[in-house]
Amino acid sequence: DTGVSQDPRHKITKRGQNVTFRCDPISEHNRLYWYRQTLGQGPEFLTYFQNEAQLEKSRLLSDRFSAERPKGSFSTLEIQRTEQGDSAMYLCASSPRELLETQYFGPGTRLLVL
Amino acid sequence: GIQVEQSPPDLILQEGANSTLRCNFSDSVNNLQWFHQNPWGQLINLFYIPSGTKQNGRLSATTVATERYSLLYISSSQTTDSGVYFCAVVWNNQGGKLIFGQGTELSVKP
Repeated sequence: DTGVSQDPRHKITKRGQNVTFRCDPISEHNRLYWYRQTLGQGPEFLTYFQNEAQLEKSRLLSDRFSAERPKGSFSTLEIQRTEQGDSAMYLCASSPRELLETQYFGPGTRLLVL
Repeated sequence: GIQVEQSPPDLILQEGANSTLRCNFSDSVNNLQWFHQNPWGQLINLFYIPSGTKQNGRLSATTVATERYSLLYISSSQTTDSGVYFCAVVWNNQGGKLIFGQGTELSVKP
C-alpha cells in the first residue's frame, strides 16, 4: 500500500494556460475526492467519484474545471484558461467502498498562476 | 449548511507542554476526522472518531456527538508536532465529502 500519490507536486503557469493534475488513489479504494485549499483556510470540497462515476460537483467547480476518472482508477483534474484566483493547493483523497470510511490524502499539487 | 469551528486559532507552546484543541459543529455528523497538516502541506490522518475516545501515543481524541464537539489532546509536545490541526466532518451523509474547520496552527518551541 503506497498511499495516495499526486503529480505534479508543484506547477507554475501563466494566466490563460491550461493545466492538468493527476491523482492515483490507494488501490481498491473506489471513492476518490478532490479538494482545494487556499492560504490560511481549510480544504474545500470540489468533486468526488465512486468508481468511474462523478457523483457530485461543488459550486466552486466552475465550467473551466473538469475532472475524470476513467476505468475507476486514477483521476485527472483539468483547469482551462487559468486565472490568478485558481492559485491554491489541490488535494486528492481516497476511501474504501463504505460511505463513512476514513479518507486518506495525497501530498497535494501546489498551483501558482502568474 | 453545517458550521465547523475550531479553537484556538493559534497556539504557541514550549516543548514538553500539554494542549487541548477543540472542534465544535452545529449539527449531527456521520463522521469526524482529525488531521495534522505538516509544513509541506501533507494532511496526515490522526483519528477517525465520530464518537467516543481514542488514543495513539501522545495523542488522544474525544468526541461527544450529543453535545456536538470533539477535543484533541496533545501531551508532552515536541517540535515535530508543529503545524496546522484540522477537524473535518461528514454531514447529512452527503457523499462522504469532508467539511473542514479553519484549523488550529500550533507552534512548539524548543
